[in-house]
Amino acid sequence: DTGVSQDPRHKITKRGQNVTFRCDPISEHNRLYWYRQTLGQGPEFLTYFQNEAQLEKSRLLSDRFSAERPKGSFSTLEIQRTEQGDSAMYLCASSLVLRETQYFGPGTRLLVL
Amino acid sequence: AQSVTQPDIHITVSEGASLELRCNYSYGATPYLFWYVQSPGQGLQLLLKYFSGDTLVQGIKGFEAEFKRSQSSFNLRKPSVHWSDAAEYFCAVVEDHNTNAGKSTFGDGTTLTVKP
Repeated sequence: DTGVSQDPRHKITKRGQNVTFRCDPISEHNRLYWYRQTLGQGPEFLTYFQNEAQLEKSRLLSDRFSAERPKGSFSTLEIQRTEQGDSAMYLCASSLVLRETQYFGPGTRLLVL
Repeated sequence: AQSVTQPDIHITVSEGASLELRCNYSYGATPYLFWYVQSPGQGLQLLLKYFSGDTLVQGIKGFEAEFKRSQSSFNLRKPSVHWSDAAEYFCAVVEDHNTNAGKSTFGDGTTLTVKP
């Protein structure tokens, strides 16, 4: 069990560029969650997958955000036309269905200049 | 909608002193409650969780928390704080575990500073 991993750990980009983050969950976990955390705040739910199906998206997830989980394994979160307000830590977590304990990755810190 | 409140934004304690971090939740059903710790620039580490049963739960690093339904609280405690406990602490509740959603709602965190 290597835990949840995220790549990259840090990303600096210019406003208007597209960025993509990757999350590799714990191998047997069929649920995968994305959260966003800004300075001084707790993580906020963005979206989650059960296997390859995206079951819920927060209203925080604008049309510029898209997430995928092909084959129910790793997941990607893409932000198109980044804005300075997108600067945050993006956290991924995984769990088993009906097992409420989520295991978090180290996060990807995004800075949009 | 459910919510989690951590009334104390910042707490400072002396090393060796006791600690209590407050958490209040608003949730209609029986909640699943969690405490996490986050060091600067890092992800969240689970300290302890409450699902059911004994309302006093033990966690890692000498932490414990007590669920009080009448007060809608789940306060975190530690009898003797170590300098390495300085970090940010988050309380969370899992939503709709009976409907399979399982996503967490977090409080805004309490930053703990430990004085030598």
